[in-house]
Amino acid sequence: EVQLVESGGGLVQPGGSLRLSCAASGFTFSSYWMSWVRQAPGTGLEWVANIKQDGSEKYYVDSVKGRFTISRDNAKKSLYLQMNSLRAEDTAVYYCARGGYCSGGSCYSINWGPGTLVTVSS
Amino acid sequence: DIQMTQSPSSVSASIGDRVTITCRASQGISSWLAWYQQKPGKAPKLLIYAAFSLQSGVPSRFSGSGSGTDFTLTISSLQPEDFATYYCQQANSFPYTFGQGTKLEIK
Repeated sequence: EVQLVESGGGLVQPGGSLRLSCAASGFTFSSYWMSWVRQAPGTGLEWVANIKQDGSEKYYVDSVKGRFTISRDNAKKSLYLQMNSLRAEDTAVYYCARGGYCSGGSCYSINWGPGTLVTVSS
Repeated sequence: DIQMTQSPSSVSASIGDRVTITCRASQGISSWLAWYQQKPGKAPKLLIYAAFSLQSGVPSRFSGSGSGTDFTLTISSLQPEDFATYYCQQANSFPYTFGQGTKLEIK
């Protein structure tokens, strides 16, 4: 059974940093694109970043470019999101997702973790 | 960026009703369109990918259609477990973008 479990969320002050992790199991992690998607309280979904199987390609939404870094450790079957210079508008539940039915870099999010809440507030 | 516009934003329906949700892309996305279902406090769940392909394990009452800029999600006969929020998403090009969501409520 595919499992994705996020961790690392919490309360952080504006301008601070946080590193999210996503532990994967039940599939060959190194064979799949992975994503981070977030959802601010009471609002819709926003795609944040994608990373290729070997980490050689990374894509970001404009609002996090230069502040967030997606990475992965295939040996540890783990996905990460390093978040720096955090702002109030980054407050959200952050989901990691496994990419599937891909063609080139285009993928769908076929499995999702339960999410981890990041709150940016003083 | 490609903008995705869903309509309606909310809909009330009864058990057994047929419901259609539409999604329009601001530019052509071929068939790179997915539909997700989300229930309160839960992660989204993939229902439809590539505009019309049913994800494994999803009931056949869900169907998708369309290509280019106009897409629809149809639920043929609403069941109690279908009351949720539905999102479309384009995966044609980065940044991926979602529609604003359609909340399906019980009438």
